Amino acid sequence: KAGVTQTPRYLIKTRGQQVTLSCSPISGHRSVSWYQQTPGQGLQFLFEYFSETQRNKGNFPGRFSGRQFSNSRSEMNVSTLELGDSALYLCASSLDTGAQDTQYFGPGTRLTVL
Amino acid sequence: AQSVTQLGSHVSVSEGALVLLRCNYSSSVPPYLFWYVQYPNQGLQLLLKYTSAATLVKGINGFEAEFKKSETSFHLTKPSAHMSDAAEYFCAVSGRGGGADGLTFGKGTHLIIQP
Repeated sequence: KAGVTQTPRYLIKTRGQQVTLSCSPISGHRSVSWYQQTPGQGLQFLFEYFSETQRNKGNFPGRFSGRQFSNSRSEMNVSTLELGDSALYLCASSLDTGAQDTQYFGPGTRLTVL
Repeated sequence: AQSVTQLGSHVSVSEGALVLLRCNYSSSVPPYLFWYVQYPNQGLQLLLKYTSAATLVKGINGFEAEFKKSETSFHLTKPSAHMSDAAEYFCAVSGRGGGADGLTFGKGTHLIIQP
């Protein structure tokens, strides 16, 4: 089975712009979660989608949003980019949403905000 | 609320020596615990997970971890380090099922292997 794929792998944007990142989960997985990884804050949960519905959301401002499509693919959007949004954004998929369900991670999208 | 503490942001061992990476957790619900490894410029790869079936969990690449409820610990070990083990290791606790927010990660431990 193909793993989780994320596109693009690298992005450079300027402050004030918006960006959309894409994630394709492992075939058959219905849950997609997004995480932000920075040197200072480490790995932080952004949100989780299941059956096109947001189930949980982390402590991030409303500039961060996402959605999930009927084929389980997911996108996240960051509007009005700030320098502090520079990070590695990781997508993870799992079969379902149980606590024991393993989340499988993609390679990430490296976003640089100038 | 869940939290994870990884003791030691950097751990250095010699090739062939025992690897011990420490993880302590706090959870308000029965914990499901995970260890992930991250190589440079890559995503996270699952090493192993604890789901209450057995306290000693064996994972990939010769790693294992023991769940100790009394110590709220889930330390990762490997009997003999290999150069290819050099990477960043993350311990995580799942908040799902308890109405919480995805995986909560520790700050990570950078494992350095000395030749």
